[in-house]
Amino acid sequence: DVKVTQSSRYLVKRTGEKVFLECVQDMDHENMFWYRQDPGLGLRLIYFSYDVKMKEKGDIPEGYSVSREKKERFSLILESASTNQTSMYLCASTGLEGGDTQYFGPGTRLTVL
Amino acid sequence: SQQGEEDPQALSIQEGENATMNCSYKTSINNLQWYRQNSGRGLVHLILIRSNEREKHSGRLRVTLDTSKKSSSLLITASRAADTASYFCATGTLSSWGKLQFGAGTQVVVTP
Repeated sequence: DVKVTQSSRYLVKRTGEKVFLECVQDMDHENMFWYRQDPGLGLRLIYFSYDVKMKEKGDIPEGYSVSREKKERFSLILESASTNQTSMYLCASTGLEGGDTQYFGPGTRLTVL
Repeated sequence: SQQGEEDPQALSIQEGENATMNCSYKTSINNLQWYRQNSGRGLVHLILIRSNEREKHSGRLRVTLDTSKKSSSLLITASRAADTASYFCATGTLSSWGKLQFGAGTQVVVTP
């Protein structure tokens, strides 16, 4: 079974802090994604990566950056957290041979105070 | 930007009844997928239907796709309390690098 793990289920940070959210997948998938999920808005793509050290902006990249130094790990960075970044963050991965089916981690609920 | 839009936004049914939810999208697609999300958890893939398919079954799930109307439906037959979850449709295109566009979801509550 594909396993996607995220570093924290719940996280509370203060405004202005630097926040790291980590995602690890164990299926040698090429593509990895970071979404945020807010009530009534569904999932919105923040960034995605199709290879090591490669990244592309999604629909809402402002205020975020990413890092992919190893194939299995994709990190989302909030350089200076703000209250409007309070949200559920979901990581997903997909392999080239698996079509477009995405495998999701359990999510990180981030609260910025 | 949202590609898929689910209808209804919320659905409440009793165990044993069927649940039907619909998804409409705006642009041409390569495939359409349905995912389930239990409260506070990640999404789980349910079923994928390609643009050249019209209907697909998986256990108690039945998905239809009408590309002329740019719409899809998900039917859950003989629902169970464990089917209580949010259901999302997502669309993929040939040039999308595996990216998907998700709708806002339908929240389904199945009462015993």
